[in-house]
Amino acid sequence: ETGVTQTPRHLVMGMTNKKSLKCEQHLGHNAMYWYKQSAKKPLELMFVYSLEERVENNSVPSRFSPECPNSSHLFLHLHTLQPEDSALYLCASSQDVTGAYGYTFGSGTRLTVV
Amino acid sequence: QQQVKQSPQSLIVQKGGISIINCAYENTAFDYFPWYQQFPGKGPALLIAIRPDVSEKKEGRFTISFNKSAKQFSLHIMDSQPGDSATYFCAASRNDYKLSFGAGTTVTVRA
Repeated sequence: ETGVTQTPRHLVMGMTNKKSLKCEQHLGHNAMYWYKQSAKKPLELMFVYSLEERVENNSVPSRFSPECPNSSHLFLHLHTLQPEDSALYLCASSQDVTGAYGYTFGSGTRLTVV
Repeated sequence: QQQVKQSPQSLIVQKGGISIINCAYENTAFDYFPWYQQFPGKGPALLIAIRPDVSEKKEGRFTISFNKSAKQFSLHIMDSQPGDSATYFCAASRNDYKLSFGAGTTVTVRA
């Protein structure tokens, strides 16, 4: 394991459902990120947290709501999603927000919206 | 707009051959250029990274070549092995958290 654990690995949800993605890191990192990965596209940065404070919301629709209760845990709450939101959602962490030592990614949650 | 352009989208190489992936960027403020490797069902993992004060960095069979004037950098995989079959992403940042990723290159190494 990479030190960043994401659950669930797979999620199928209807457009009216509410679900949450969970990310946990045991690396002692201070920054955590949510990325969206769609086929044949660059990874899209969604949210950045530094020491539990949100420092970036990259024009993400409000149907995605992040939560960072402490420096080890990060959630992505989902509600009234659209089929085009189907993608692999990746959580990552880094030592600090400079990212100077690279990111450690989790294995992702494969989300399918039906 | 896409800040890092990566090519090719995919490539096939014979075992023992050389795989070459190219990336180009526009922002001259970028000062950190990592490459990530992603296997199916896994998240990307940092493979190798370079800063613009050097023109080349080598780690085992993986080499980054960096051309600051051309705003280009590339990954060379020497003696490619079937276990190298994966998707490779280049990225760039200006020493902040905003890593800009390329679209990825799927490498297939044929035995």
